[in-house]
Amino acid sequence: EVQLVESGGGLVQPGGTLSVSCAASGFSISSYWMHWVRQAPGKGLVWVSRIKRDGTTTTYADAVTGRFTVSRDNAKNMLYLQMNSLRVEDTAVYYCARSSGRGDGFDPWGQGTLVTVSS
Amino acid sequence: QSALTQPASVSGSPGQSITISCTGNSSDVGSYNLVSWYQQYPGKAPKLMLFEVSKRPSGVSDRFSGSKSGNTASLTISGLQAEDEAEYHCCAYAGSSNYVFGSATKVTVL
Repeated sequence: EVQLVESGGGLVQPGGTLSVSCAASGFSISSYWMHWVRQAPGKGLVWVSRIKRDGTTTTYADAVTGRFTVSRDNAKNMLYLQMNSLRVEDTAVYYCARSSGRGDGFDPWGQGTLVTVSS
Repeated sequence: QSALTQPASVSGSPGQSITISCTGNSSDVGSYNLVSWYQQYPGKAPKLMLFEVSKRPSGVSDRFSGSKSGNTASLTISGLQAEDEAEYHCCAYAGSSNYVFGSATKVTVL
């Protein structure tokens, strides 16, 4: 079964750091682009970041550029998101998802991990 | 990138058809036939329903269809069923490896 499972969410103070992970099973992430998408409580989805198959190219939404870093370990079938200088507005459920290319959609998604930034 | 504009809510009776619009601009929806749609139940992860405007992944009912005209994409649900009551999100490729989601639409089956 193709599956993505996020972990590492939690409560962090403003200005703090947190890293979330995404474990893939049932397929090899080396064949796919991987993405992070977040959803603040009661709000819509927001695309956060994308990393290409070999990890050499990454792209970020303007809101997180310079603060977040996406990485992957194809050998371990893992995706990561390092989040620095966290702000209250970064509070959200963070989902990982895969795509085969630019526009074939994000499928599947993990169950998400909640990151709460609060003092 | 500003979120794509979707109606906050759409409702319909069982068996009816409803259409959800998703309006962007000439840099995203209008530039590429790379619009996807997602269904999300409360507390659950989104599920891909359509990609590349109108293509259905394996397993998605043919009651779901998509189209695009200019800067607006649309999702139509035909033969509305109780199980279709959920939140729906559109997403468009916006160039330079960026993506933008819509503001989300709550579908209510009356």
